[in-house]
Amino acid sequence: DQQVKQNSPSLSVQEGRISILNCDYTNSMFDYFLWYKKYPAEGPTFLISISSIKDKNEDGRFTVFLNKSAKHLSLHIVPSQPGDSAVYFCAASALSGGGADGLTFGKGTHLIIQP
Amino acid sequence: DTGVSQNPRHKITKRGQNVTFRCDPISEHNRLYWYRQTLGQGPEFLTYFQNEAQLEKSRLLSDRFSAERPKGSFSTLEIQRTEQGDSAMYLCASSLAGTGRAPLHFGNGTRLTVT
Repeated sequence: DQQVKQNSPSLSVQEGRISILNCDYTNSMFDYFLWYKKYPAEGPTFLISISSIKDKNEDGRFTVFLNKSAKHLSLHIVPSQPGDSAVYFCAASALSGGGADGLTFGKGTHLIIQP
Repeated sequence: DTGVSQNPRHKITKRGQNVTFRCDPISEHNRLYWYRQTLGQGPEFLTYFQNEAQLEKSRLLSDRFSAERPKGSFSTLEIQRTEQGDSAMYLCASSLAGTGRAPLHFGNGTRLTVT
């Protein structure tokens, strides 16, 4: 049973427009959420995180929104640039594990920025 | 480069052989994680160390898998009697435990191919 779901395997967006990547989770114990970006042949790179006490966190062109009641988060990239083309993973963890739970990842969304 | 370093980058082995991978975390990080990623999936948590103590190992895939972090610095992941299903990317990550939540920083992985 997947606890973190990214239902769009791929997303194509025109350069300069907004990219919106979505993620749903089922485990109500999750309280820390992260987005990672991955290029081929490289490990995932941390992008942005949000704790459950917030509903929005912004860092430059990247904003993460958290809707706890819907168990949904989204990553907005504005404006989208060609270098943003990559696979994006949503991940979550529960503080109760003291870090021992590790992160639970979704399957990823392949974002393609069209020129 | 002071990021997470993994060696080797690629390993091809015959079924039944043992393999060992090494991970050197970011030097000040006290937490170290191992993940496995197969095609089309997100990284899957395997095990976790805080300093030299292995605090979670129930998610290791079978008793053929073992990990060590003898002096709380580098770590090794060993797979004994490899099977074709072990072919995957093995990722190492590290983080700094503190009062807040810290993102994991990943290495570029070791790609294992079992023939």
